[in-house]
Amino acid sequence: KNEVEQSPQNLTAQEGEFITINCSYSVGISALHWLQQHPGGGIVSLFMLSSGKKKHGRLIATINIQEKHSSLHITASHPRDSAVYICAVTNTGNQFYFGTGTSLTVIP
Amino acid sequence: DSGVTQTPKHLITATGQRVTLRCSPRSGDLSVYWYQQSLDQGLQFLIQYYNGEERAKGNILERFSAQQFPDLHSELNLSSLELGDSALYFCASSVEGPGRSTEAFFGQGTRLTVV
Repeated sequence: KNEVEQSPQNLTAQEGEFITINCSYSVGISALHWLQQHPGGGIVSLFMLSSGKKKHGRLIATINIQEKHSSLHITASHPRDSAVYICAVTNTGNQFYFGTGTSLTVIP
Repeated sequence: DSGVTQTPKHLITATGQRVTLRCSPRSGDLSVYWYQQSLDQGLQFLIQYYNGEERAKGNILERFSAQQFPDLHSELNLSSLELGDSALYFCASSVEGPGRSTEAFFGQGTRLTVV
């Protein structure tokens, strides 16, 4: 059983669509992270959350601690958003647990 | 550019050999994390160092070891390499106080191929 579950595994969207990626976790956490990995392999940290909601440009991340659930939203999606999005959590012992990632393809 | 530097970018070596991967964290970051990303297992946390001391350990094999030096750069040593060790190895760094989680910045990774 994975400590972090993401859905969907794969997602294809038309440019301009609103996208939601979901993440559920089963461990107590100190923080939840959303990461973006482009086809070249590099990883970028998008958000770190411990409560509430954060927004960077067209990206919005929310977390519900009681339900152990987080969502990553992309508004007005663009082909350059095509990447793998990975949810990760850290527990109070600084252990990291990763989801298997959501592969997003945005078609022009 | 995240400010985290990993060398080398690519490494090809034979089974049974030993390699050292190097990571220079962002200026001012005290924590360094190592991760392994293989095709069949996704991203896995290996180990974390904070200001020279081991802080957390994940799924790191006994054949692997790491250290963080006084100048805060870190090295991951992989020995008795097996084909299954072929993977992308990422380093990340963060400014982290005891008991706090902060955003991590990732290097570009070292792609290790064991033949």
